[in-house]
Amino acid sequence: QLVLTQSPSASASLGASVKLTCTLSSGHTTYAFVWHQQQPGKGPRYLMKLNSDGSHSKGDGIPDRFSVSSSGAERYLTISSLQPEDEADYYCQTWATGILVFGGGTKLTVL
Amino acid sequence: EVQMLESGGGLVQPGGSLRLSCAASGFTFSSYAINWVRQAPGKGLEWVSIISGSGGHTYYADSVKGRFTISRDNSKNTLYLQMNSLRVEDTAVYYCAKSPGGGDWTLDYWGQGTLVTVSS
Repeated sequence: QLVLTQSPSASASLGASVKLTCTLSSGHTTYAFVWHQQQPGKGPRYLMKLNSDGSHSKGDGIPDRFSVSSSGAERYLTISSLQPEDEADYYCQTWATGILVFGGGTKLTVL
Repeated sequence: EVQMLESGGGLVQPGGSLRLSCAASGFTFSSYAINWVRQAPGKGLEWVSIISGSGGHTYYADSVKGRFTISRDNSKNTLYLQMNSLRVEDTAVYYCAKSPGGGDWTLDYWGQGTLVTVSS
């Protein structure tokens, strides 16, 4: 079963950096990993995609403070120079043949 | 500018039916796959279904298979979700989201959602 696991919560101080983690269940190869942001009371917004070849792309207007990386089964979203508007829920997403899955989401608090 | 606007949500009794719509603009609608994604109150995102640009290919989450039908009218730039045999657990905000196509299921543009409440 294709499952993405995220920590339920994270926190970091204003101006600092934070690294959010998304772990792919074992035995699966997927096409790419995508990160979405959902600010309080709003719909989700596409942030970035990390392709299987290591390349990446960003959504419209996403600042350079957001970056993606990977190590083994783990995929990371790093946010640097944290701003108040970065306080949000962050979801990772991937897909395999015939199925699309989300991680459970990480609620980021900016202190 | 890509825009996607959902409509059709509301209150429905268990066992009832509802049809959602998603009106899209700002891109060549027929060239792209479109998804439905839902979010139960206070919960995370759950993928519901995807339909190819031509409408010839569809996929569903197991939780809705056999009850929900995704379709599209490319002449009207509109996506639909016909929901039958609704259950209390189908209560959620339903979003439509575009994918780039070519087998890429990234959700690169989202609508603002429409709320479906299933309750007696």
